[in-house]
Amino acid sequence: NAGVTQTPKFQVLKTGQSMTLQCAQDMNHEYMSWYRQDPGMGLRLIHYSVGAGITDQGEVPNGYNVSRSTTEDFPLRLLSAAPSQTSVYFCASSYSSDLGNTIYFGEGSWLTVV
Amino acid sequence: GDSVTQMEGPVTLSEEAFLTINCTYTATGYPSLFWYVQYPGEGLQLLLKATKADDKGSNKGFEATYRKETTSFHLEKGSVQVSDSAVYFCALSEDFGNEKLTFGTGTRLTIIP
Repeated sequence: NAGVTQTPKFQVLKTGQSMTLQCAQDMNHEYMSWYRQDPGMGLRLIHYSVGAGITDQGEVPNGYNVSRSTTEDFPLRLLSAAPSQTSVYFCASSYSSDLGNTIYFGEGSWLTVV
Repeated sequence: GDSVTQMEGPVTLSEEAFLTINCTYTATGYPSLFWYVQYPGEGLQLLLKATKADDKGSNKGFEATYRKETTSFHLEKGSVQVSDSAVYFCALSEDFGNEKLTFGTGTRLTIIP
């Protein structure tokens, strides 16, 4: 059971380049989401999905695009990278039960935009 | 909107000391509350959670009690170890079935032998 897998772990981009951060989970969770982590700001929600074919914006969606064609995959696309997008990105998946939400995070993707 | 306020870090303690990391929250409904831990170079791991008032979450010697009257969820451990050195995040999720988390800014904890 791999849990939540993110790739790549490290990436350096030039301003204006585009790229996709991959996220896959093998737990059959309906909910998936992307966060970014910046110093002194905790984690902030970028986009999330409540199931295949459904996505919605979080707190900081500008400059990012997502899609959810399968339950397992939730890629995050940077359309035209900017230095302000230098951050650590975390993908998460979760399920709900009578005991509340249980949310699992990937190991993170360190992105530097120069 | 929802918010989580955490104790400012960094926090440095000696091994076997008592730990408290304060966390208070603002929410419109009845949130679930979480503590996550991030070890160096790793992702976030769920440490403990509580889903309703007066619930106590516990794991690995850490405890936190959901206090609705003070809107708090303070993290405690009676005797810390060097291996507890990490960044600790308090977070809330507003509703059952709502996967969106609101995080505090994190508290870096360093334990010295």
